[in-house]
Amino acid sequence: SYLLTQPPSVSVAPGQTATMTCVGNHIATKNVHWYQQKPGQAPVLVVYDDFDRPSGVPERFSGSNSGNTATLTINRVEAGDEADYYCQVWDSSTEPVVFGGGTKLTVL
Amino acid sequence: QITLKESGPSLVKPTQTLTLTCSFSGFSLSTSDVAVGWIRQPPGKALEWLALIFWDDDRRYSPSLKSRLTITKDTSKKQVVLTMTNMDPVDTATYYCAHTARLNTGWPFDYWGQGTLVTVSS
Repeated sequence: SYLLTQPPSVSVAPGQTATMTCVGNHIATKNVHWYQQKPGQAPVLVVYDDFDRPSGVPERFSGSNSGNTATLTINRVEAGDEADYYCQVWDSSTEPVVFGGGTKLTVL
Repeated sequence: QITLKESGPSLVKPTQTLTLTCSFSGFSLSTSDVAVGWIRQPPGKALEWLALIFWDDDRRYSPSLKSRLTITKDTSKKQVVLTMTNMDPVDTATYYCAHTARLNTGWPFDYWGQGTLVTVSS
């Protein structure tokens, strides 16, 4: 089955840029989605199809996808961005939905 | 607007069968390019996809759990039901249902229920 690897944790100071990666074999050939999950809450979609943002998601959130790595970037990080972030792909095979292991973003 | 809500038992015994219902509003599961999925999350762990049912009744399952899962839909009642057999304590998790649709080329889960915690214990 397809495997997505995310770093367990990323730390950043307020106002700086947070970069979170999602590594998968030839991931650039797939559509990557990113979710934000705060403690005790359901996940929220923040980026879909590599770089599109749902309405209501700040422009500070952006995504890219190239080669074997997809990236979620949060500019001008705020305390309220502290959460777990999960990447997900649609792999049109026997296992269409795959999630990464998640990255905990800590705002210092 | 689209909303989803999970319901079912909060406690099941080992070997029992779990039945969860996802009741939704704001969309129809008979509309093309729409689906509902189930995702779970053990306490302190990552999200794990379980099953997906499409508008055309196509069904997909996690390969590792396929033998234990069944997903069905009742379009008129606006419900999706997931059954999981032979429950084990490792199945203790928050279970979410979520809406997905073909946006551009992908299928992101754009609306989620609040989740329901299921504990497996004797």
